[in-house]
Amino acid sequence: KAGVTQTPRYLIKTRGQQVTLSCSPISGHRSVSWYQQTPGQGLQFLFEYFSETQRNKGNFPGRFSGRQFSNSRSEMNVSTLELGDSALYLCASSLVLAGGNHEQFFGPGTRLTVL
Amino acid sequence: DQQVKQNSPSLSVQEGRISILNCDYTNSMFDYFLWYKKYPAEGPTFLISISSIKDKNEDGRFTVFLNKSAKHLSLHIVPSQPGDSAVYFCAASEEGAQKLVFGQGTRLTINP
Repeated sequence: KAGVTQTPRYLIKTRGQQVTLSCSPISGHRSVSWYQQTPGQGLQFLFEYFSETQRNKGNFPGRFSGRQFSNSRSEMNVSTLELGDSALYLCASSLVLAGGNHEQFFGPGTRLTVL
Repeated sequence: DQQVKQNSPSLSVQEGRISILNCDYTNSMFDYFLWYKKYPAEGPTFLISISSIKDKNEDGRFTVFLNKSAKHLSLHIVPSQPGDSAVYFCAASEEGAQKLVFGQGTRLTINP
């Protein structure tokens, strides 16, 4: 079974631009979560989507948004990029059944550099 | 307000010995705990998890222990191998939630 895939792997943008990152979850997984990793703040939760609906959101400004499609693929968008948005953006998918807890499986990440 | 803490930024262990990585949490609503291993510029790799209804879970060389009263969990790796050298993150979530809260990570180095 293929793992979580993320595109692109690397991205360079300039301040003020916007960016869209893509994530394809493991087949059959309907929950997709996004995380940001920076040297200063570590791994931080951005948001989670399940069945095309945002279920959870972290403490990030409104410039960070996302969506999920009917095939569970997800995109996240960052508008008006700032230097501090430079980070590794990670997508994770999970097989969520009724109740219970489930491990999340991560993709390789997209390295975003803002100049 | 760091809800999950890994107080040791680094740990060095001799090959073949036991590696013990520690993690503390403050949020009593956490009921599911996970350990991930991460190499630079890659996504975290899931290792092992434990639910709050258990105090121990084993998977091969990896064992996780949970002490709910102390709000403490640990990951034991035995025997340690050179390929185990990586950064290890503990993470926690509340029941049914997919929001993982991560510790800052511990860099484990296995010396031959």
